[in-house]
Amino acid sequence: DAGVIQSPRHEVTEMGQEVTLRCKPISGHNSLFWYRQTMMRGLELLIYFNNNVPIDDSGMPEDRFSAKMPNASFSTLKIQPSEPRDSAVYFCASITLGQQNTGELFFGEGSRLTVL
Amino acid sequence: AQSVAQPEDQVNVAEGNPLTVKCTYSVSGNPYLFWYVQYPNRGLQFLLKYITGDNLVKGSYGFEAEFNKSQTSFHLKKPSALVSDSALYFCAVRGRAAGNKLTFGGGTRVLVKP
Repeated sequence: DAGVIQSPRHEVTEMGQEVTLRCKPISGHNSLFWYRQTMMRGLELLIYFNNNVPIDDSGMPEDRFSAKMPNASFSTLKIQPSEPRDSAVYFCASITLGQQNTGELFFGEGSRLTVL
Repeated sequence: AQSVAQPEDQVNVAEGNPLTVKCTYSVSGNPYLFWYVQYPNRGLQFLLKYITGDNLVKGSYGFEAEFNKSQTSFHLKKPSALVSDSALYFCAVRGRAAGNKLTFGGGTRVLVKP
């Protein structure tokens, strides 16, 4: 039973380059979350989708960040242009919408981004 | 606004000794409370949750947590720690109103020494 799948696991890029992180949620889950983890700020919710529709993007740090969910099995988080302060581990998590309040989130292994 | 406080950045304990990781929360109304664990270079894994009912909840790997409404706390405990319990632990809270998001604490690093 595959869990949440994220790619790439590691990405090293130079400042100014475009970065695209990918996530495949657990089959049947219809709510998807993007988190960012840094030493300084801990875990931050960036955006979440219900049934492929963005519900709350108030955590997206600035316009350089965008996220899409074109279908129930795929989401992307894009940073353009990237900056060194974007270096972090980005996690995707999913859950069944009906369980969103009481159920546990299932997290992917994360994408570690380093912007030089 | 809801919030979670984990007052200890790190907890050190000898193997075989009891382990406690503290968590206090602030939320309107009754909370849903969760504990997650993160091993190095891995995603967060669910340990246990409190939804309603018995204040003492039992979870994975021998962990348990006690919900204390008067103290707004949800401390994580394990009677006898293992070296393999060394990891980063996160407490999280969600209010019961529709649309409330899950809010995580800052995490507590647990180091269990042999």
